[in-house]
Amino acid sequence: AQTVTQSQPEMSVQEAETVTLSCTYDTSENNYYLFWYKQPPSRQMILVIRQEAYKQQNATENRFSVNFQKAAKSFSLKISDSQLGDTAMYFCAFMNLNSGYALNFGKGTSLLVTP
Amino acid sequence: DVKVTQSSRYLVKRTGEKVFLECVQDMDHENMFWYRQDPGLGLRLIYFSYDVKMKEKGDIPEGYSVSREKKERFSLILESASTNQTSMYLCASSFSRGQGFGAFFGQGTRLTVV
Repeated sequence: AQTVTQSQPEMSVQEAETVTLSCTYDTSENNYYLFWYKQPPSRQMILVIRQEAYKQQNATENRFSVNFQKAAKSFSLKISDSQLGDTAMYFCAFMNLNSGYALNFGKGTSLLVTP
Repeated sequence: DVKVTQSSRYLVKRTGEKVFLECVQDMDHENMFWYRQDPGLGLRLIYFSYDVKMKEKGDIPEGYSVSREKKERFSLILESASTNQTSMYLCASSFSRGQGFGAFFGQGTRLTVV
């Protein structure tokens, strides 16, 4: 089974600053996807960004980007120009395409953006 | 837009009751999932289904069962609710061919067992 580790239970950042959330995973597979999901307080879980393991180029979605280090099995999320609306739980998730479509999640990082 | 709808946002049930949590998706997704979310534990997979009438156990299936009689609907059943099943339950769905898009989630059902 794959394990996903988020080592930072809580983080805070000031508005307009940059923050990086860490995620490592353990797998022997080569064919997989990685995701970051955001869950705002009392609101629905939404996909922030995804990365295909066979693509070396790091994914970017507006202010959100990842640093994917396949050899190190690391997948960190960088949020630039943080906004108050970025306050949320962030979950890193792994999907092994060779064994189905279920997502394995880390325990989450609670991010607080302060004025 | 993909919509995954869970029948209740909040639910309070008594110990020993049989509880049904319903989930419906409107995008013809093959895959549907039930997760349980607890503080400090993240999301843990209870059961999932790749097709109608098919089900697979996830990481924590004990005390739960599921039903998928129609493609769009996936039900989670607590046969005899216990207080340790007090939690947030999240339903999700996804395409089999579009794994790269991850899964789409419902709004969650916060279940309290008293």
